[in-house]
Amino acid sequence: EAGVTQFPSHSVIEKGQTVTLRCDPISGHDNLYWYRRVMGKEIKFLLHFVKESKQDESGMPNNRFLAERTGGTYSTLKVQPAELEDSGVYFCASSLVLGHEQFFGPGTRLTVL
Amino acid sequence: GDSVTQMEGPVTLSEEAFLTINCTYTATGYPSLFWYVQYPGEGLQLLLKATKADDKGSNKGFEATYRKETTSFHLEKGSVQVSDSAVYFCALSNYGGSQGNLIFGKGTKLSVKP
Repeated sequence: EAGVTQFPSHSVIEKGQTVTLRCDPISGHDNLYWYRRVMGKEIKFLLHFVKESKQDESGMPNNRFLAERTGGTYSTLKVQPAELEDSGVYFCASSLVLGHEQFFGPGTRLTVL
Repeated sequence: GDSVTQMEGPVTLSEEAFLTINCTYTATGYPSLFWYVQYPGEGLQLLLKATKADDKGSNKGFEATYRKETTSFHLEKGSVQVSDSAVYFCALSNYGGSQGNLIFGKGTKLSVKP
């Protein structure tokens, strides 16, 4: 069974540009989470989907971030326009049932210059 | 709000040394506690977990006991190997209501030398 995959693995963009990150959860996992780790700091929760619905988006830093999960399968996280402080590693995770183990992808390293 | 504090690294040990990585938490209610590990170039993997006070999680020779009286969940291993070199994250989750997100510590990088 394939694990959680994320694309791209690295992205380097300039301030003001747009970047879209993609996450493919484990097949059948209704719960999908986005997290971010800024250099030297904690991994912070961004948002949680249950199927295609946003269950909790309390961690989204501002309205430059837009997450979608059309059809309840893969998810995208768009940053527009990107700022320097958006640099970090973005992790996606999925779980079969709320409260059960979350399986993480390898992350996307975003660098904003 | 809920939070996790873990010892900052990096931690460098020789093979077969004893490992302790301290983790304390602040949370309302009765959170579940986790240790995740990230090996170089890979995603986070669940190492072990404990869901209630006095539970001991264990896996791959690592252990951690959920201590409510000291709000701690310290990670220990009696004899580390080079292959244990990784970043270790302590985390909690309060699954009350519909919440499911994890709250992480900053991570501790462990390097084990042969």
